[in-house]
Amino acid sequence: QKEVEQDPGPLSVPEGAIVSLNCTYSNSAFQYFMWYRQYSRKGPELLMYTYSSGNKEDGRFTAQVDKSSKYISLFIRDSQPSDSATYLCASSGTYKYIFGTGTRLKVLA
Amino acid sequence: NAGVTQTPKFQVLKTGQSMTLQCAQDMNHNSMYWYRQDPGMGLRLIYYSASEGTTDKGEVPNGYNVSRLNKREFSLRLESAAPSQTSVYFCASSERPRTVLPDTQYFGPGTRLTVL
Repeated sequence: QKEVEQDPGPLSVPEGAIVSLNCTYSNSAFQYFMWYRQYSRKGPELLMYTYSSGNKEDGRFTAQVDKSSKYISLFIRDSQPSDSATYLCASSGTYKYIFGTGTRLKVLA
Repeated sequence: NAGVTQTPKFQVLKTGQSMTLQCAQDMNHNSMYWYRQDPGMGLRLIYYSASEGTTDKGEVPNGYNVSRLNKREFSLRLESAAPSQTSVYFCASSERPRTVLPDTQYFGPGTRLTVL
């Protein structure tokens, strides 16, 4: 079993929709949870990170962590065609930094 | 600032050939990483370097060697390429050591390698 699991998609939504992207993780030692965005043929770039449980908001993006269920979510409000990309979750603890496989998102104009 | 740069962008090798992938960062970061990204497997760490002159194996080090010659540059060498090494290779860097959290990693644009 992979330590971080992510549905690969693809996920297609109309412009303006609320998008929910999810990951699960299995290692209780993970403390930090990240979301990276990767455009086609580019390297991943960090969107945001959260520590332990709770929510963190940055503009149209909200990251949520539920440590009790080992569930990580990224919500995108008012999605735009420019949000079309692959979103990778990542979890880290001492000596480990594990990426999910990524979910491909397409926002249709 | 260029951030993290990688060369070449694309490469085709024949089985058994060798090559070196180059990576450089201009952010004065201490830690540097080499990953490979394969469909359905995500990003997997090949090697990690916490500082100049030090390297550690990651999840999938077999068939690769690395060299951290100075703080800026971290190269990945394939001594005898195999078709299983066909992948997209990403170099990344971070300010903090891997054991200090949070650890934001900055990625290069990647090298697409095909081994025939």
